[in-house]
Amino acid sequence: KNEVEQSPQNLTAQEGEFITINCSYSVGISALHWLQQHPGGGIVSLFMLSSGKKKHGRLIATINIQEKHSSLHITASHPRDSAVYICAVPFLLFSGGGADGLTFGKGTHLIIQP
Amino acid sequence: SQTIHQWPATLVQPVGSPLSLECTVEGTSNPNLYWYRQAAGRGLQLLFYSVGIGQISSEVPQNLSASRPQDRQFILSSKKLLLSDSGFYLCAWKLQGREKLFFGSGTQLSVL
Repeated sequence: KNEVEQSPQNLTAQEGEFITINCSYSVGISALHWLQQHPGGGIVSLFMLSSGKKKHGRLIATINIQEKHSSLHITASHPRDSAVYICAVPFLLFSGGGADGLTFGKGTHLIIQP
Repeated sequence: SQTIHQWPATLVQPVGSPLSLECTVEGTSNPNLYWYRQAAGRGLQLLFYSVGIGQISSEVPQNLSASRPQDRQFILSSKKLLLSDSGFYLCAWKLQGREKLFFGSGTQLSVL
């Protein structure tokens, strides 16, 4: 079973700061997901990446497959970025291109103060 | 476009009462469907998944069951709720062979 570790668990920063959230996993994967969960509970998929780097607005996600590590960066952070950020890696539920589930990290609770 | 509906958003139930949470997907066909639970202070955990009508697999033993009576409908049930069933339940779907996973808005279940 893949172990997914995130750090830090909690992060409070001032508006405008550069934010980094880290994720490491124990078993090689094909892709990694970064998700955002708002206080109401709804989850939105931010990125799915299998190599290199992806950028969407002020969010940047990087992954190093060899080191089994990914980072999520937020540039020019804003209070509306406050949320729980979760990384997740897939695992096969059965072989032959069948269903796969996700193993989730416990999340990083980010608070951006104005 | 594809959408996923999950209801109710919140639910407070007494111990021993039944449970039925419903999830429906629109705009796609033959999706893989998933029920996840997020207990307080813990990460999301896969409870059930389904690759087709009537096909249900459970990842963890528990007091809950799932059913898929139609292609795009996934139901999470219990005959008698336990206190430990409290948590945040999320339905999700994806197409087989595709990586992207789409989540419902979740149900916050409190068992008292």
